[in-house]
Amino acid sequence: EVHLVQSGGGLVKPGGSLRLSCAASGFTFSDFSMNWVRQAPGKGLEWVSSISSRSSYIYYADSLKGRFTISRDNAKNALFLQMNSLRADDTALYYCARDSSLCSSNSCPFDSWGQGTLVTVSS
Amino acid sequence: SYVLTQPPSVSVAPGKTARITCGGNNIGSKNVHWYQQKPGQAPVLVIYYDSDRPSGIPERFSGSNSGNTATLTISRVEAGDEADYYCQVWDSGGDHANYVFGTGTKVTVL
Repeated sequence: EVHLVQSGGGLVKPGGSLRLSCAASGFTFSDFSMNWVRQAPGKGLEWVSSISSRSSYIYYADSLKGRFTISRDNAKNALFLQMNSLRADDTALYYCARDSSLCSSNSCPFDSWGQGTLVTVSS
Repeated sequence: SYVLTQPPSVSVAPGKTARITCGGNNIGSKNVHWYQQKPGQAPVLVIYYDSDRPSGIPERFSGSNSGNTATLTISRVEAGDEADYYCQVWDSGGDHANYVFGTGTKVTVL
């Protein structure tokens, strides 16, 4: 069974940094592209970033303007999101999500999600 | 940037049919995925590639996509279908490539 267990969220001051982690198990992590999606309180889903299986392709939402960095360690079955220069509007529940095994094009559905980790940016 | 527009809410009586639309410029040329999210839970994939259902998703869930509108249809609605629903596409071209989620639709079962 696929498991994605997230950690690293918390309260941080504006301008601060935080690193989120997503530990994967139950599948061959190195075979799958991975993603980060966030959801501000009471709001909808917002895609943040994606990384291909070998880190060859990396994409970010335009709104992040270079503040976030996605990475992965296939030897440790782990996905990361380094968040710098955090702002109040980055406050959200952050999910890691796996590309589906049913993926057949660049547009892959996300078939497994972590439990989410809350990031609160406030002074 | 590409925008996906959904109605904020849809209300439906038990046993009836709910239709949730997702509007986008020429969305019919893109692959659309749909997610269900219940309060306090992570999203769950219910339809992928416009009309395919993952294993474990009831046949009551179906999808279509043409022109400028994709539609998620829930037949014989049950109380357990009450949730937020989001459409998703991959938008690429020129110097950009990104996933886009729709604005979300809250389905209320009367």
